[in-house]
Amino acid sequence: AQSVTQLDSHVSVSEGTPVLLRCNYSSSYSPSLFWYVQHPNKGLQLLLKYTSAATLVKGINGFEAEFKKSETSFHLTKPSAHMSDAAEYFCVVSLNAGNNRKLIWGLGTSLAVNP
Amino acid sequence: ETGVTQSPTHLIKTRGQQVTLRCSSQSGHNTVSWYQQALGQGPQFIFQYYREEENGRGNFPPRFSGLQFPNYSSELNVNALELDDSALYLCASSLYSGRNTGELFFGEGSRLTVL
Repeated sequence: AQSVTQLDSHVSVSEGTPVLLRCNYSSSYSPSLFWYVQHPNKGLQLLLKYTSAATLVKGINGFEAEFKKSETSFHLTKPSAHMSDAAEYFCVVSLNAGNNRKLIWGLGTSLAVNP
Repeated sequence: ETGVTQSPTHLIKTRGQQVTLRCSSQSGHNTVSWYQQALGQGPQFIFQYYREEENGRGNFPPRFSGLQFPNYSSELNVNALELDDSALYLCASSLYSGRNTGELFFGEGSRLTVL
């Protein structure tokens, strides 16, 4: 069965320190993987995506994620947190489902950035 | 800005009423998905429309229905509203092709409150 696990429901960092949001997936196939961000009372915005090209993916706002097949992980990182990074982050796996794409969403990780 | 627009942004209804939410997809996109996001939760897939037909549905009852129009805009209709239908309803558009990766572009959402 396919699944996505975001290992931390809440992460708190100080401004200027590194961010690590962890995501593990389970899939029988080679998936596409995404990280979306949602700021309070806003819609979802794509941060970055992995689609079987380079395993280290760079996204917007200085975020990166590395696809590690051996560890079935797709952790999101940023070298230095900014106050504006405080938001909810969702890891998503996209799988083929016939003529459709099935998206499996993680439960989300809430990132707090302290001054 | 994703180019996906939703209306209305906020609305209040009472139990038993019906509601219609609207979504204009991003230019060039032919697929629309609808998600329900309850407060503090991740998005839950309601259904997806491609070429004016529903081609995927999540675990939602038939009182949740939709339409997609020739211009690829879409409506979500919910009949016999219940208190638990209070949520942020998100529309996402995408371009389905043989190499579709599942990347979604979200609108800002319609926040429905059922009293």
